Amino acid sequence: EPEVTQTPSHQVTQMGQEVILRCVPISNHLYFYWYRQILGQKVEFLVSFYNNEISEKSEIFDDQFSVERPDGSNFTLKIRSTKLEDSAMYFCASSGGLAVAQYFGPGTRLTVL
Amino acid sequence: GESVGLHLPTLSVQEGDNSIINCAYSNSASDYFIWYKQESGKGPQFIIDIRSNMDKRQGQRVTVLLNKTVKHLSLQIAATQPGDSAVYFCAEMVTSGTYKYIFGTGTRLKVLA
Repeated sequence: EPEVTQTPSHQVTQMGQEVILRCVPISNHLYFYWYRQILGQKVEFLVSFYNNEISEKSEIFDDQFSVERPDGSNFTLKIRSTKLEDSAMYFCASSGGLAVAQYFGPGTRLTVL
Repeated sequence: GESVGLHLPTLSVQEGDNSIINCAYSNSASDYFIWYKQESGKGPQFIIDIRSNMDKRQGQRVTVLLNKTVKHLSLQIAATQPGDSAVYFCAEMVTSGTYKYIFGTGTRLKVLA
């Protein structure tokens, strides 16, 4: 069964450094998403991406964040200058359409020191 | 029900019994709802969804009920099994205009052998 994959599983970085989190969505899906989940808290929507552009973003997704689909398979989230409060699990998801089931990857745990 | 931070409400059920997990959603304009299951250390897993033009939808061993009058969603799991132990949370979405995904905090389901 196709699945969303994410790398790395755990990323440790120093405050102020740039990080890139990588995702390979399910191959025939058209919508891609990033979410984050701070430990013990609820999942929060960051951004959705369709047709090579951002379709929606939340208040969390400020100028420090960017997304890219550099080729036909990868979908990346870049945080330009990490802050301590960026420490969280980051989940990528994909779906075949809008308002249909989203399939999540296993997540990347980001730890900012 | 929902709570904040680490103190998730917990539902304990005997193996083989039925489970009912409740969710109060926040936006009366939401027209698409999803239930997710999240096991420890994993990404959310899609269980079942329902659109606002329905009040009930059944899947394999799961049923979702929607009451738009009181903005309430429930997930019923029949014949609960040990593998059902996880955190369950609902998500709501407005699909017209600017769409947003809002996730609930979740309920921890513990299945007792």
